[in-house]
Amino acid sequence: QKEVEQNSGPLSVPEGAIASLNCTYSDRGSQSFFWYRQYSGKSPELIMSIYSNGDKEDGRFTAQLNKASQYVSLLIRDSQPSDSATYLCAVSTPGGGNKLTFGTGTQLKVEL
Amino acid sequence: DTGVSQNPRHKITKRGQNVTFRCDPISEHNRLYWYRQTLGQGPEFLTYFQNEAQLEKSRLLSDRFSAERPKGSFSTLEIQRTEQGDSAMYLCASSFGSNYGYTFGSGTRLTVV
Repeated sequence: QKEVEQNSGPLSVPEGAIASLNCTYSDRGSQSFFWYRQYSGKSPELIMSIYSNGDKEDGRFTAQLNKASQYVSLLIRDSQPSDSATYLCAVSTPGGGNKLTFGTGTQLKVEL
Repeated sequence: DTGVSQNPRHKITKRGQNVTFRCDPISEHNRLYWYRQTLGQGPEFLTYFQNEAQLEKSRLLSDRFSAERPKGSFSTLEIQRTEQGDSAMYLCASSFGSNYGYTFGSGTRLTVV
């Protein structure tokens, strides 16, 4: 079992719709969770962090965490073509000095 | 520029040659990380520093790889006797303390021919 799992996609949504990206992780002791956006040929960019169960909203982005189910999600409201990118889920390793384990990423395509 | 800076941006080398990459982190960040990313994969952890101390190195990392962070400022990653399988994007990131997300540099794309 991979430590951090994401559906590779591509996930296609129409412009203006809600995009829902999902991630599961294997280590129950993980405490910090991050979403990064990566455009083709570019480096990852941090867009959301979440540390406790529930929802965290920042503009059009909402991160959701359920530690009991070992599940993290990212919702993007009013999706725009500029949101088309690969979204990486990252989970911190307990006692690992903030070492992050990344999933393989989900490719999102927002269509006009 | 207050971001993470990596040099060079691209490097093409012949198999068997040594290469060295440099990373300048955000000045107030005490933690520095090196990751490697291949096409279609997420970044893979290589090693990290807290100030000048190298605290962890991936067990998957060959002895051909070495990293330094003298004086807790910039860091270098050296790959000796490069192999074609070393071709990847090498990413440096920095953070302030633990439990925070990273800021990544633009990366160094290595191609071994």
